[in-house]
Amino acid sequence: DAGITQSPRHKVTETGTPVTLRCHQTENHRYMYWYRQDPGHGLRLIHYSYGVKDTDKGEVSDGYSVSRSKTEDFLLTLESATSSQTSVYFCAIRDRAAEAFFGQGTRLTVV
Amino acid sequence: DQQVKQNSPSLSVQEGRISILNCDYTNSMFDYFLWYKKYPAEGPTFLISISSIKDKNEDGRFTVFLNKSAKHLSLHIVPSQPGDSAVYFCAASFGNEKLTFGTGTRLTIIP
Repeated sequence: DAGITQSPRHKVTETGTPVTLRCHQTENHRYMYWYRQDPGHGLRLIHYSYGVKDTDKGEVSDGYSVSRSKTEDFLLTLESATSSQTSVYFCAIRDRAAEAFFGQGTRLTVV
Repeated sequence: DQQVKQNSPSLSVQEGRISILNCDYTNSMFDYFLWYKKYPAEGPTFLISISSIKDKNEDGRFTVFLNKSAKHLSLHIVPSQPGDSAVYFCAASFGNEKLTFGTGTRLTIIP
């Protein structure tokens, strides 16, 4: 299995609070991604990174920010959580034009 | 704008028969295509991929076909087994960066 860990695995938070999800890899892969999975929408890209301090927006980036200060860590922050951000969040890592490996996911509930 | 589409939300197939999952894309710049399988409460796992320079790639029971002129790819599973019951996602990328996923097809294998 690819060395990729997401934390926390489950979180319940209140509307309006900031939340940070962490993705940690031990594979030294260049590319890291954050996706959210929702019924009827599949996997939608939130943000991705192509190197330390190099990030770009995906298709559903509003309300989210990311940071990558080290190769191994990619953080996703919900600046002020809303109920529409209740979802399952997946981190993925990738090395060049090859398959991406996914973490186990974080189930986030905003109440 | 959904660049990768899976128009069948679900598919049921008898055990032992062929399962065919379809995927269409709109961006002619895509040059690498992948299929993923996802069980509940787990991250997606990579199944098989194909480069745009090929039209077929085979790995055991799984074969992916690419028709660039039609912007269509398909995944064939032969023979289908009960453990193949899962949600299948197709994905596409150009260059080494973003992976864009479809909405998924839920495959159910009937014993």
